[in-house]
This record gives sequence, C-alpha cells and structure tokens, in this order.
Amino acid sequence: QSVLTQPPSASGTPGQRVSISCSGSSSNIVSNTVNWYQQLPGMAPKLLIYITNQRPSGVPDRFSGSKSGTSASLAISGLQSEDEADYYCAAWDDSLNGPVFGGGTKLTVL
Amino acid sequence: EVQLVESGGGLIQPGGSLRLSCAASGLFVSSWFMTWVRQAPGKGLEWVSLIYSDGKTAYADSVRGRFTISRDYSKNTLFLQMNGLRAEDTAVYFCARAPVKFNYNYYMDVWGKGTTVTVSS
Repeated sequence: QSVLTQPPSASGTPGQRVSISCSGSSSNIVSNTVNWYQQLPGMAPKLLIYITNQRPSGVPDRFSGSKSGTSASLAISGLQSEDEADYYCAAWDDSLNGPVFGGGTKLTVL
Repeated sequence: EVQLVESGGGLIQPGGSLRLSCAASGLFVSSWFMTWVRQAPGKGLEWVSLIYSDGKTAYADSVRGRFTISRDYSKNTLFLQMNGLRAEDTAVYFCARAPVKFNYNYYMDVWGKGTTVTVSS
C-alpha cells in the first residue's frame, strides 16, 4: 500500500491530453513539493517534474505538473507513442521522515 | 558526465548479508543528499535510505535496524550494507542524488541503472 495514491492505469490516443492524479495528505503533498518520474520498461526512473511544476532541461513542455490541497496532477498534452511508460509521483513525508512514492500509473498510448 | 553505477547485487539466502556500492563520477557523494530506492519485481518504487550531506542518515521502517547507509569520500562511493536479508528485500536497488538543501523540496535528478538483489533459498 503506497502512501500516495495514483490510478493504476491511464490511456489516450496520439495527440490527446491526459492527466494522472496523485492523492496524498497534509504530511506530504500539502506541506511539500511534488515530483514526477517516468520509467520506461527495464530502465531507471527519470526525473520528469520537480518542485511541483518545474521541468528539468530536456523534458518537453508537453509535460506539466500542478497541485492543489492534498492532490497533485501530471498533465501530458500532445500525447506521443514514446510517452508510453510508468509514471510515479513522489513527495517528502514529514511523518515518515523520508520521501514517499505513489504506486505508479501505467500509461498506454492507444 | 554525471553518472552513478551500482554494483554488489546477487543471489543471497535469507538471513544473509550483502553490501551494495554506488560509484559516482561527475559529482561528489559527500556533497549531496544521496538516496537508495528499490523496486520489487513488478512493483512500484520504494524509498530505502538516505544520507544527508552532513552525514546524518534516515531509513524506511521496513529496513531500519538491518540496513546501514554510508559513503567513502576517497572512493566517492555510496554504500548500503544489508544484513538479515528477507525474501521481501528482493528488488532492483537504485542509488540516486538529491540536489537539494531541504527536505520539503526533495527530489532525485541523477539515478543509476540499478543492481538486482534476490533473496531466496
């Protein structure tokens, strides 16, 4: 059981906009920033969004992050086939004194 | 090029010990918050342990008392000593850098490719 809650799956067609939610609590998402990682099969996670809505160099602006209250979201616009991957949200948890992750969302591009 | 390379994984019997290494290049492990994250087969990511730039350490409840994180300045290497291994510790173990100064904006920007630990008799 992950501390942060994500839908196990999401899907969309090329060009579509999809959103992945991440639900947490006052000890993590409310009081700390949220990060998103993309993991392709057999690969290490890759930082996609940090400090809730910042993109590392090289990440397309099709990816965006936001948060409100106890929830955060990752939005992907102009969906492409190479976006098919697992996506994880993460945040520091003040109660557990460490970073916590969501269970991951498998994105399928139809 | 900034790079982290893990090693030391393998097949180990329950109750056994392993020491994982994470060799860094292009960054100094002693200058950053460094983290171990694991991923059990077919499962999600799970934080294991971290060491702050000042040397303080933190552990997930699932490994506290069994695992020890450390670093070697001269070798520029991060370690994870794992004792009392259990079947549920079977996972790919990743090391990662957190380029932050405070917990509230904790994120990991450089990841190794991982090393596989299998605990089985």
